[in-house]
Amino acid sequence: QKEVEQDPGPLSVPEGAIVSLNCTYSNSAFQYFMWYRQYSRKGPELLMYTYSSGNKEDGRFTAQVDKSSKYISLFIRDSQPSDSATYLCAMTAVRGSNYQLIWGAGTKLIIKP
Amino acid sequence: DTAVSQTPKYLVTQMGNDKSIKCEQNLGHDTMYWYKQDSKKFLKIMFSYNNKELIINETVPNRFSPKSPDKAHLNLHINSLELGDSAVYFCASSFSSYNEQFFGPGTRLTVL
Repeated sequence: QKEVEQDPGPLSVPEGAIVSLNCTYSNSAFQYFMWYRQYSRKGPELLMYTYSSGNKEDGRFTAQVDKSSKYISLFIRDSQPSDSATYLCAMTAVRGSNYQLIWGAGTKLIIKP
Repeated sequence: DTAVSQTPKYLVTQMGNDKSIKCEQNLGHDTMYWYKQDSKKFLKIMFSYNNKELIINETVPNRFSPKSPDKAHLNLHINSLELGDSAVYFCASSFSSYNEQFFGPGTRLTVL
């Protein structure tokens, strides 16, 4: 079983819809939770970074962490065609004296005009 | 003033050849990484260096050898290339191992 599970999609929604992207994890010791966005033929870039249970909002994006259920979500309001990309969740695990990012498989999101 | 740069961007080569990919960051970060991303977009960590010291060395064939001449550079040398090595290789850097990682544009390697 993978430490982080994420549905690879693709997820196709009409422009203006609310998008919900999710990841589940098995290791209760994960401390920091991130969402990265990757456009086609580009490197991933950080969208949201959280470390506690609850919601964090940034513009049209809201990151939600539920540590008791081991579940994180990214919501996108008023979705735009420019939001079409692959969204990867990642979380930090302690490995020896360092942290290591454990990645989800990424969900491909398509916003139809 | 690119933050994390990689060369080359594209690499097409024959099986059995040896090739290198170079990475440089100008962000003043202490930690650098090499990732492999396959056709299904799964991002797999290969190596991580902190201040030129190897801190993550995942299960990777020993044909892959990283080298960090200084903390701004992390190169990847691949010997005896195989078809299965075809992928996009990303370099990334961060201030420390739990901070945000900044990614380079990727090197698309095709082994024929």
